[in-house]
Amino acid sequence: DIQMTQSPSSLSASVGDRVTITCQASQDISNYLNWYQQKPGKAPKLLIYDASNLETGVPSRFSGSGSGTDFTFTISSLQPEDIATYYCQQYDNLPYSFGQGTKLEIK
Amino acid sequence: QVQLQESGPGLVKPSQTLSLTCTVSGGSISSGSYYWSWIRQPAGKGLEWIGRIYTSGSTNYNPSLKSRVTISVDTSKNQFSLKLSSVTAADTAVYYCARDGPTTVFDYWGQGTLVTVSS
Repeated sequence: DIQMTQSPSSLSASVGDRVTITCQASQDISNYLNWYQQKPGKAPKLLIYDASNLETGVPSRFSGSGSGTDFTFTISSLQPEDIATYYCQQYDNLPYSFGQGTKLEIK
Repeated sequence: QVQLQESGPGLVKPSQTLSLTCTVSGGSISSGSYYWSWIRQPAGKGLEWIGRIYTSGSTNYNPSLKSRVTISVDTSKNQFSLKLSSVTAADTAVYYCARDGPTTVFDYWGQGTLVTVSS
């Protein structure tokens, strides 16, 4: 099984800050990586697919990059509504697997 | 717009079988090359993929749960279902259904349903 390691597990930042989350796969997954946003009591929402493609309707302040084993998710200018937990997920191999999540808070 | 909705008992006794159904609306479950997945999330924890089904009936399961999981589909009702046998408290979680497409994985999700395993 492919293990996905996200860091940090929690992050506190100010409105307007640039925020970066990393995700590392235990083996090469090419660009088969999604990023999700999950708010309390809600289902995850797909933000980025194929490592760097923005899902329709998602604000352009969200972006993703990387390939192989190392990936980065960035919020260019943090907004109050971005407070959530973010997950990466690989879909190169079954079983699909998720990172442990990064909880983002406002400072 | 595709919508998914989970339904089923919110309380299951230990050793019994958890049964959930996901109803798909806004499109036929059989149209397009889609798999339909189940994912779960214990309170305060991360996401775990349980398994998926294609409308042909072909399935894939997470090896960690494979011996206890059965996923089935009823195309006439636009539904797919999850059965998890011999449940314990460790199976207490919010269970989500989601669409797994050929180009985008998990682009649509149900709202989730909490299942508690307790006597």
